[in-house]
Amino acid sequence: GQQLNQSPQSMFIQEGEDVSMNCTSSSIFNTWLWYKQDPGEGPVLLIALYKAGELTSNGRLTAQFGITRKDSFLNISASIPSDVGIYFCAGQLGSGGSNYKLTFGKGTLLTVNP
Amino acid sequence: KAGVTQTPRYLIKTRGQQVTLSCSPISGHRSVSWYQQTPGQGLQFLFEYFSETQRNKGNFPGRFSGRQFSNSRSEMNVSTLELGDSALYLCASSQSSGGAKVQFFGPGTRLTVL
Repeated sequence: GQQLNQSPQSMFIQEGEDVSMNCTSSSIFNTWLWYKQDPGEGPVLLIALYKAGELTSNGRLTAQFGITRKDSFLNISASIPSDVGIYFCAGQLGSGGSNYKLTFGKGTLLTVNP
Repeated sequence: KAGVTQTPRYLIKTRGQQVTLSCSPISGHRSVSWYQQTPGQGLQFLFEYFSETQRNKGNFPGRFSGRQFSNSRSEMNVSTLELGDSALYLCASSQSSGGAKVQFFGPGTRLTVL
């Protein structure tokens, strides 16, 4: 089945630094999503990308949908302590049939030192 | 608008028992998906329901089942519990089944099997 390779697995950064993480897939997705999960909670949607090449920002977060449809990256600028958590990428084929399920990466654990 | 709610939040069962988890989607959302999250396997898709019909199913044994009611609320059931069923079970809802629709997650039910 489809697999998403998310890297890095973990990051330890200083407050104020920029962060970059990415996901690659062996097959194409038509939608890429980035979620953040805090301990004991469900994933919260950060950014949704619907079109190859699309670059979307949400505050200090920027994400891009790769041209090949097999990859996506997420950047966080000027990190703050509340950015701590696990970030997941997810791909979705969409457009009917059995394609609505999300395939998730293994996550990137972000630690921000104040 | 209220988010996705899941009950109970925490559950402790013993091997061999069965369990039923409940999910209420965001108002107006008709599609409900269930995911299992474990440290080893990450987030894995269980099944998706739309208009009271199961539209897609992941690679889980038949002990895992679900249903959806006319008000879009959904339940999942796990019979003959095994130790390996200990996990965070997440429910996600989306507006419809057409096209790529963003899924919003509930806080999850933490199931511990002893």
